[in-house]
Amino acid sequence: QKEVEQNSGPLSVPEGAIASLNCTYSDRGSQSFFWYRQYSGKSPELIMFIYSNGDKEDGRFTAQLNKASQYVSLLIRDSQPSDSATYLCAAFTGGGNKLTFGTGTQLKVEL
Amino acid sequence: DVKVTQSSRYLVKRTGEKVFLECVQDMDHENMFWYRQDPGLGLRLIYFSYDVKMKEKGDIPEGYSVSREKKERFSLILESASTNQTSMYLCASSVTGNGSGYTFGSGTRLTVV
Repeated sequence: QKEVEQNSGPLSVPEGAIASLNCTYSDRGSQSFFWYRQYSGKSPELIMFIYSNGDKEDGRFTAQLNKASQYVSLLIRDSQPSDSATYLCAAFTGGGNKLTFGTGTQLKVEL
Repeated sequence: DVKVTQSSRYLVKRTGEKVFLECVQDMDHENMFWYRQDPGLGLRLIYFSYDVKMKEKGDIPEGYSVSREKKERFSLILESASTNQTSMYLCASSVTGNGSGYTFGSGTRLTVV
């Protein structure tokens, strides 16, 4: 059973719009959550992480966590074509020092 | 700048060959991981290690083995390469604790012909 779920997309948004990427997780023991961006043919790079309920902002990116509903989201404001990539959500449960990854959502920002 | 370095970016090997993929990190991280990534299947954990000379199987260890003789180096071995092992292989490392996240290497795209 998959523990971290993401819609595979593609999610298409126009340039300048807000992109909203969502992720749900099944393990209530999950402690922290990570968003990675992966360009085609490249390795994932960490863009945001969040531990506490609520919002965390970093530039154009905002991560949101709702532990009661077991979902995490990533908002990208003023989306740019360079944001076009696959976004991976990951959860850390503490046991085993491993991250559990979703399969990723492909984002396309159109001119 | 901290780094996870994978020895090869692209690799082509023949069926039946023994293949070594090397990964070195310079961050003094305790944990190291090997994943493969295939379209539609996401990241799948092959093996991981929490300490020198220690290894644990991930979700898809069949056909693979690993070696960690030094803290900074984690090697993935394909004992007898097969075409279904054609994939992108990603190495990652992390510190032990409340999820500092992984740092990934640049990946090795392996083709087995």
